[in-house]
Amino acid sequence: GNSVTQMEGPVTLSEEAFLTINCTYTATGYPSLFWYVQYPGEGLQLLLKATKADDKGSNKGFEATYRKETTSFHLEKGSVQVSDSAVYFCALASGNTPLVFGKGTRLSVIA
Amino acid sequence: DAGVTQSPTHLIKTRGQQVTLRCSPKSGHDTVSWYQQALGQGPQFIFQYYEEEERQRGNFPDRFSGHQFPNYSSELNVNALLLGDSALYLCASSPISGRQETQYFGPGTRLLVL
Repeated sequence: GNSVTQMEGPVTLSEEAFLTINCTYTATGYPSLFWYVQYPGEGLQLLLKATKADDKGSNKGFEATYRKETTSFHLEKGSVQVSDSAVYFCALASGNTPLVFGKGTRLSVIA
Repeated sequence: DAGVTQSPTHLIKTRGQQVTLRCSPKSGHDTVSWYQQALGQGPQFIFQYYEEEERQRGNFPDRFSGHQFPNYSSELNVNALLLGDSALYLCASSPISGRQETQYFGPGTRLLVL
């Protein structure tokens, strides 16, 4: 079945540091890939997505590239801010299947 | 434009009781999905409702049931609560069944079973 594996947290960075959160997946067919973010006390927000190989999703300075050859969709940001502190979830959907999420990675950015 | 709303925000129940959680989808959305998010875990799909019918279901027991009303709002019912049912329950809505990338999530209902 479909599954997502993402790096365990927590990840603690200083402001303006470079962020990478690794995500790899297993899926049949050609899934769409997503990153969701969950701020404290809130629901999930779609951060970015990619629907086919080599697509790059981007939003709010975050980027992720759909790599079919390595089955990966790593999240990156060049310079994190305190306001980026949240839990980040990698997810996939294949065809009409429901979203399958990773366990989440908690990011804490300190000033 | 109101987003997805859920009620109540928090709930405390005891083992064996029953609970009903409610969700109002984003305006213009007709499909509602429910997820369970245990502490420290990613959300797990429970089921999806479209046109007042359950269209897809995840690996959850029959104690979990739902309903969708003509105005597209939805309820999640859990019977015979277990301690392991303690979790954040998330509702997500989307405009067309199957368009997973357009799911919008509510803030969730945090359920504690004692």
